[in-house]
Amino acid sequence: DQQVKQNSPSLSVQEGRISILNCDYTNSMFDYFLWYKKYPAEGPTFLISISSIKDKNEDGRFTVFLNKSAKHLSLHIVPSQPGDSAVYFCAASADSGTYKYIFGTGTRLKVLA
Amino acid sequence: DVKVTQSSRYLVKRTGEKVFLECVQDMDHENMFWYRQDPGLGLRLIYFSYDVKMKEKGDIPEGYSVSREKKERFSLILESASTNQTSMYLCASSENLNQGSYGYTFGSGTRLTVV
Repeated sequence: DQQVKQNSPSLSVQEGRISILNCDYTNSMFDYFLWYKKYPAEGPTFLISISSIKDKNEDGRFTVFLNKSAKHLSLHIVPSQPGDSAVYFCAASADSGTYKYIFGTGTRLKVLA
Repeated sequence: DVKVTQSSRYLVKRTGEKVFLECVQDMDHENMFWYRQDPGLGLRLIYFSYDVKMKEKGDIPEGYSVSREKKERFSLILESASTNQTSMYLCASSENLNQGSYGYTFGSGTRLTVV
């Protein structure tokens, strides 16, 4: 049973426009969420995080929104750039002390020049 | 610059071989993890360790074992490699402090092909 879901396997966006990547989760115990970006043949790199005590976190062009009642988070990239083309994973963790994150299946973003 | 280093980028092994994947981190992190990445399945946790000589099964431990004799090194062992273990293997580490605002630091991955 997939606890963290990214229902869009791929997304194409024009350069300069907004990219919105979505993530849904089922476990109400999740209280910390991360987004990672992964280029081919490289390991994922951390992008942005959000704690369940917040509903928004912003870092430059990247903003993550959390809707706890809907168990939904989204990553907004504005403006999108060709270098943003990558696979994006959301990940969630419950405060169980194991520091174990559950990852989604990923969304491949392609930003068209 | 902090690093998680995986010893091999690409490996080709034969069915039935015993395979060792090595991972070393230089950040003095307590926690280390092994994931595999497969298309359409995302990253799935195989094993993790929160201390030297300690290990916990993840979501898909079958066919794998691990070893953590030193804090900086976490090895993944495929006891008898099978073709369904062909995958990208990712090692990661994290510190205990507040789950880490940055979560994990990942290595570059090892692409294993079992023939």
